[in-house]
Amino acid sequence: GENVEQHPSTLSVQEGDSAVIKCTYSDSASNYFPWYKQELGKRPQLIIDIRSNVGEKKDQRIAVTLNKTAKHFSLHITETQPEDSAVYFCAALIQGAQKLVFGQGTRLTINP
Amino acid sequence: DTEVTQTPKHLVMGMTNKKSLKCEQHMGHRAMYWYKQKAKKPPELMFVYSYEKLSINESVPSRFSPECPNSSLLNLHLHALQPEDSALYLCASSQGFRDGAQHFGDGTRLSIL
Repeated sequence: GENVEQHPSTLSVQEGDSAVIKCTYSDSASNYFPWYKQELGKRPQLIIDIRSNVGEKKDQRIAVTLNKTAKHFSLHITETQPEDSAVYFCAALIQGAQKLVFGQGTRLTINP
Repeated sequence: DTEVTQTPKHLVMGMTNKKSLKCEQHMGHRAMYWYKQKAKKPPELMFVYSYEKLSINESVPSRFSPECPNSSLLNLHLHALQPEDSALYLCASSQGFRDGAQHFGDGTRLSIL
């Protein structure tokens, strides 16, 4: 079936450095790719998304890139801050099933 | 501020109890979702309602019964649950069924004794 692979499962970076999380999807018809941030005990929060008609989208310190040919998309966080510490989930909208399939998550820790 | 409101925030119930989870959104969204999330795992889709009609049931056991009374409300009725059903239950909504931008509520943390 359709799946989304996410790497790494854990990531630890120094405050101020950049963090990159990568996802690969299997359904070539997928056309929508959101990223969610989930802090401990809280809801998944949509932080950025991208549709298949663009290759990159940026919102302040976060950006997402999409390579449709390779079926890869990535989240980039620059100038990381302690409040960026959370679990991040990527997802892809599966066209046939019309549902989001999530990656397994990345636990990001920002070290002061 | 959370635009999708879920109640209760916490629920402890025995295996013979009947309870309901409630979800409300006032964003004019026409698609609403129930997810189950276990610790350290991604949300797992259970049900999707589009225009108040059930569109997707991900082979969820019948002890979970969804209901969509109107376009703003979504309920999940629980009966005879098992200990393995203990989890965070998340509601989400989106503009439409094919609009992927889903917004989640804070969830109900459910514990089955």
